[in-house]
Amino acid sequence: AQTVTQSQPEMSVQEAETVTLSCTYDTSESNYYLFWYKQPPSRQMILVIRQEAYKQQNATENRFSVNFQKAAKSFSLKISDSQLGDTAMYFCAFMSAGANNLFFGTGTRLTVIP
Amino acid sequence: EAGVVQSPRYKIIEKKQPVAFWCNPISGHNTLYWYRQNLGQGPELLIRYENEEAVDDSQLPKDRFSAERLKGVDSTLKIQPAELGDSAVYLCASNIGAGESSYNEQFFGPGTRLTVL
Repeated sequence: AQTVTQSQPEMSVQEAETVTLSCTYDTSESNYYLFWYKQPPSRQMILVIRQEAYKQQNATENRFSVNFQKAAKSFSLKISDSQLGDTAMYFCAFMSAGANNLFFGTGTRLTVIP
Repeated sequence: EAGVVQSPRYKIIEKKQPVAFWCNPISGHNTLYWYRQNLGQGPELLIRYENEEAVDDSQLPKDRFSAERLKGVDSTLKIQPAELGDSAVYLCASNIGAGESSYNEQFFGPGTRLTVL
């Protein structure tokens, strides 16, 4: 069974600064996907970034980037130039290739301080 | 294009009462998911449909929960009777439908927040 662990229940960062959210996972699969989702108070889950396990290059989406360490089963999210609109819950998630089901961590509440 | 639509957004009921949630996925999306998100937790899958067939309902508490997806479009999730522990946010998501080695993004609705008193 897959497990996803987020050990930081809450984080805060000053506006315009950089913050890193941690995630570790456990799986025996060799081919899978990892995700970071954002959930603002409106509750709608929004995909922030995706990483394919077979790709060595870390994914980047504008201010968001990941540090994917496959051997260590670690998948952290770095948010650069933090903005007030980044305030939300952030969930790390795992999906086996071809399985189509997402497994989520418990989330990290991020607050961006003006 | 409209996203995943869910209703109601909020529901408050007394325990032992029935409740139903409705989801309309994005047009053309064959796969539909129902998740339950307890307070302070991540979403957990309850059931997944491929068109009108429930292909993964292993986490659905079948004694009180039921779901249907008639005609492979809209879906309804029902709880009867509701218990205090059912208080949670119920999220619906959809995607086009992934093949063996491909990935298609899941799009989520805004969820229904259920409070059981």
